[in-house]
Amino acid sequence: AQSVTQPDIHITVSEGASLELRCNYSYGATPYLFWYVQSPGQGLQLLLKYFSGDTLVQGIKGFEAEFKRSQSSFNLRKPSVHWSDAAEYFCAVGSGGSYIPTFGRGTSLIVHP
Amino acid sequence: NAGVTQTPKFQVLKTGQSMTLQCAQDMNHEYMSWYRQDPGMGLRLIHYSVGAGITDQGEVPNGYNVSRSTTEDFPLRLLSAAPSQTSVYFCASSGQEDNEQFFGPGTRLTVL
Repeated sequence: AQSVTQPDIHITVSEGASLELRCNYSYGATPYLFWYVQSPGQGLQLLLKYFSGDTLVQGIKGFEAEFKRSQSSFNLRKPSVHWSDAAEYFCAVGSGGSYIPTFGRGTSLIVHP
Repeated sequence: NAGVTQTPKFQVLKTGQSMTLQCAQDMNHEYMSWYRQDPGMGLRLIHYSVGAGITDQGEVPNGYNVSRSTTEDFPLRLLSAAPSQTSVYFCASSGQEDNEQFFGPGTRLTVL
């Protein structure tokens, strides 16, 4: 069975600082990996996804993530955080045969001015 | 395309009442699912469907029923609401090619 761990419940950064949100997954084969963002009171929006190929994936809003098979990780990064990035971020793992991905518990990003 | 729509946006129920949360998608997606979101718990899968007429249980199915009579619609029924079902409910759909979920805006449910 697949599973996802987001070790950080909350992350606080200053506006303009760099950001890295951690995601570790458990799955035997090559996974499908996703990062979603949820702004307060809103639904979830896809930031980026990885299926195969280049392990560095570019997404919307200036985010990127790197798939590292040896570490079973798919960490999300942004070089300079904006106040509007304050939100809940969810990592998810899926596969070709599971139909529905498994979500992590989320990391809440707080941005200080 | 409207994507995934959910109604109502907000609902307050009394313990023991029943209701149906509506979900529809216009992307001709095979897969649809219902999640509940609670503080600190992330998204937990309630029920899902891999096509019209086919449904299965997720992680937290107790107290909920679903059916899938058409590709477009996937309603979630609460048979006898309990305070433990106070939550935000999200419906999602995805195509056959991958697991990317398209989410609806959510329904905030309070059970008194």
